[in-house]
Amino acid sequence: ELKVEQNPLFLSMQEGKNYTIYCNYSTTSDRLYWYRQDPGKSLESLFVLLSNGAVKQEGRLMASLDTKARLSTLHITAAVHDLSATYFCAGGGSQGNLIFGKGTKLSVKP
Amino acid sequence: GAGVSQSPRYKVAKRGQDVALRCDPISGHVSLFWYQQALGQGPEFLTYFQNEAQLDKSGLPSDRFFAERPEGSVSTLKIQRTQQEDSAVYLCASRLTPEYGYTFGSGTRLTVV
Repeated sequence: ELKVEQNPLFLSMQEGKNYTIYCNYSTTSDRLYWYRQDPGKSLESLFVLLSNGAVKQEGRLMASLDTKARLSTLHITAAVHDLSATYFCAGGGSQGNLIFGKGTKLSVKP
Repeated sequence: GAGVSQSPRYKVAKRGQDVALRCDPISGHVSLFWYQQALGQGPEFLTYFQNEAQLDKSGLPSDRFFAERPEGSVSTLKIQRTQQEDSAVYLCASRLTPEYGYTFGSGTRLTVV
C-alpha cells in the first residue's frame, strides 16, 4: 500500500527566506496533492499534481512532481508570517482515497 | 450548498456513549470520504462511498464504527460505545469525479471523557 513520508516535520523559518518541503511516496500514485491546514481548521487544497514533471505555482508557493523519483516538493519563496500553517502532501490510494503524510508544521518568524 | 458541511462542530461524549456525526457534501458530488485525524497527525482514511454504495470500509478501526449514506447525499458516521482512543477530529470530504480535487468539511472534534 502507498506510504507517504514528509520532511521536515517541523520547520521554523525567518521571513524573507526560502525553503523546500519534501514528500516521498512508496509506490506509484497517479496524482499528488498538497493541502494547508491552519490550527483548528479544515484542509485547504493548494495543488493537484497530475503527471511527471508537473509544476504549479500560487503566490509564494510552488509544487513539483517527479514520478520517477517518487518525490514531490513544495517550495516556499520569501516566506511571510501568513504562510505559518501545517502542510500535508497526499497520494491517491487504490480506492480513490487519499493517503496523507504526517504533515510539516511551518512557523515563519519576523 | 457551497461547501461540505459537518455537524456538530464539537462533541463531548462520556465513555460508552454512542455518537452520530453528520456530513452534508457538496450537492451532486458522487464520492464521499470519511477521515480520522488524531492530534498532530495527518488524516487517516476510514471509509468511502460512491453515491449510496459503501465501496471501501477498510479504514474503520473497529466494528464500533459504522457509516451510511442511504440516499447518496448526506452521510452519517456512527460510533458506538465510544472509547478515549476515539477522540479525534473526524473529517468528511466529497468529490465530483476522480478528475476533480477533494473538498473537505470543517470537521467534528470528538472528545471522549
